[in-house]
Amino acid sequence: KAGVTQTPRYLIKTRGQQVTLSCSPISGHRSVSWYQQTPGQGLQFLFEYFSETQRNKGNFPGRFSGRQFSNSRSEMNVSTLELGDSALYLCASRVEGSTGELFFGEGSRLTVL
Amino acid sequence: AQSVAQPEDQVNVAEGNPLTVKCTYSVSGNPYLFWYVQYPNRGLQFLLKYITGDNLVKGSYGFEAEFNKSQTSFHLKKPSALVSDSALYFCAGRAPNTGGFKTIFGAGTRLFVKA
Repeated sequence: KAGVTQTPRYLIKTRGQQVTLSCSPISGHRSVSWYQQTPGQGLQFLFEYFSETQRNKGNFPGRFSGRQFSNSRSEMNVSTLELGDSALYLCASRVEGSTGELFFGEGSRLTVL
Repeated sequence: AQSVAQPEDQVNVAEGNPLTVKCTYSVSGNPYLFWYVQYPNRGLQFLLKYITGDNLVKGSYGFEAEFNKSQTSFHLKKPSALVSDSALYFCAGRAPNTGGFKTIFGAGTRLFVKA
């Protein structure tokens, strides 16, 4: 069974650009969450999607957005990139109705210059 | 506000010695608690979880954790550390039966096991 797949793994952008990150959950998992990981802030919750609906959102500005498709694949977008957006972006999926354990992808490491 | 705290940024232990990585929580109700491990440039891997029942939970790679409701703690333990256990460890919690799904993570504890 394939794990959670995130693309791209690494990317470099400049300030003001936008970026789209993709996440394919484990087959059968319909819940997808996104986290931002930085050395100073640890793991910060961005948002969670289930059945194409955003079910929960963290405390991030509106520049951060996401969506989920009918096949449960998810994308997140960051517009007008800032230096502080440099981070490892992690996607996690889980089986709905389970006791909540998350399965993480390898992450997308974004560097903003 | 709900939170998970890991009071130690770093834990150092010699190979073969027991290890403990501490975690305390402030999560409403009877929380679900988790430990994850992260190796360099990788995502997080699930180690173990406490849902209900026995306070001592066993997980992957010989790790176990003890749930203590009165002290609101969920410390990760291993009887004999290996150099390969060196990694970043995260404690996490979630309030059950809440709308939506939001797992809260601690700041992480870096474990160094020296040979």
